[in-house]
Amino acid sequence: AIQMTQSPSSLSASVGDRVTITCRASQVIRNDLGWYQHKPGKAPKLLIYATSTLQSGVPSRFSGSGSGTAFTLTISDLQPEDFATYFCLQDYSNPMTFGQGTKVEIK
Amino acid sequence: QVQLQESGPGLVKPSQTLSLTCTLSGDSLSGRSFYWAWIRQPPGKELQWIGNVYYTGRTYYNPSLTSRVTMSVDTSNNQFSLKLTSVTAADTAVYYCARIVVVPSATLTRYIDSWGQGTLVTVSS
Repeated sequence: AIQMTQSPSSLSASVGDRVTITCRASQVIRNDLGWYQHKPGKAPKLLIYATSTLQSGVPSRFSGSGSGTAFTLTISDLQPEDFATYFCLQDYSNPMTFGQGTKVEIK
Repeated sequence: QVQLQESGPGLVKPSQTLSLTCTLSGDSLSGRSFYWAWIRQPPGKELQWIGNVYYTGRTYYNPSLTSRVTMSVDTSNNQFSLKLTSVTAADTAVYYCARIVVVPSATLTRYIDSWGQGTLVTVSS
């Protein structure tokens, strides 16, 4: 199975900050990567798929980039509702595999 | 709006079978562009893909679990289900059901666009 290494595992940031989260794949996965936001007790929410395609209804402060084995989620102008856990998911090959998650906390 | 809701026992004894059902509302399970997945997250660990099922009943299981997993669909009730046999404490987790969108293209894009809220299943005597 493809291993996804996500970093950092947690970070502290302030409202208005720019935040960057990285996922690295153990092999090339083209652009077959998505990013999700997860808040406790709620269903995870799709933010971005195919590396950089913003899901309908997701604010434009969320963006994704990368290719091959290295991918990045950027949140520009962090908002109070953005404090949550974020994880990546590769859909290049079965079984799909996840990053370990990044908890974004209020500084 | 698509909604997924997991249901089933929250406590299962070791060596027994874990059984969960996911009920879909707001859409049909028979959509040709979708697969239906089960995913779990043990306490303090990362998410793990258990497998997925198509409306025809075709399945894919994670090789690490394939000997113990069975998934099925009930299109008449708009539900799909998971059975995991011979459970141990290592199977204690929050279990999620989810919808995978498949976009026909040269690269066959897939992504999960809807998740259930998850249900905690504890394996303990």
